[in-house]
Amino acid sequence: QKEVEQDPGPLSVPEGAIVSLNCTYSNSAFQYFMWYRQYSRKGPELLMYTYSSGNKEDGRFTAQVDKSSKYISLFIRDSQPSDSATYLCAMVSGNFNKFYFGSGTKLNVKP
Amino acid sequence: DSGVTQTPKHLITATGQRVTLRCSPRSGDLSVYWYQQSLDQGLQFLIQYYNGEERAKGNILERFSAQQFPDLHSELNLSSLELGDSALYFCASRGGLGNEQFFGPGTRLTVL
Repeated sequence: QKEVEQDPGPLSVPEGAIVSLNCTYSNSAFQYFMWYRQYSRKGPELLMYTYSSGNKEDGRFTAQVDKSSKYISLFIRDSQPSDSATYLCAMVSGNFNKFYFGSGTKLNVKP
Repeated sequence: DSGVTQTPKHLITATGQRVTLRCSPRSGDLSVYWYQQSLDQGLQFLIQYYNGEERAKGNILERFSAQQFPDLHSELNLSSLELGDSALYFCASRGGLGNEQFFGPGTRLTVL
């Protein structure tokens, strides 16, 4: 069983839609949770960073962590064609020695 | 721009050769992480250094090695290269004021 599971997609939505991206994990030691956006083989760009359970909002992006279910989500409101990219979830325990990444979900927002 | 730099951007070499990839972390970051990303694959963690010391190892082949220097830049050495080593290699740095990990632009390695 992989440490982090993420649906690879692709996910295709019309412009303006609400997008929901999800990851599940198995290691209860994970404390910090991140979402990265990666455009076409460029370096992953950090979008959201959360600690423990709860919600965090930044503009059109909301990150949600449910540690009891070992489930994290990223919501994108009013999605734009420029949001078309691969989204990677990542998580790490408190020692920060090793970050675990999901395989990435490819999102396509159609104009 | 994340503040993490990687050189070279592209590298084309032949099987059996050895190459060195370089990474300079963000100012103030003590940790450097190396990742490999093959075509349509996720990020595979290779190795982590903190202030010059190896802290964690992932799926790094014995043909690969890395080090972090006193000025905190890091190098990833890949030897006896095989076709399957063709991939994007990313480094990321962490530390300073926060716990987030920031990625460089990557080095695209092609082994012919």
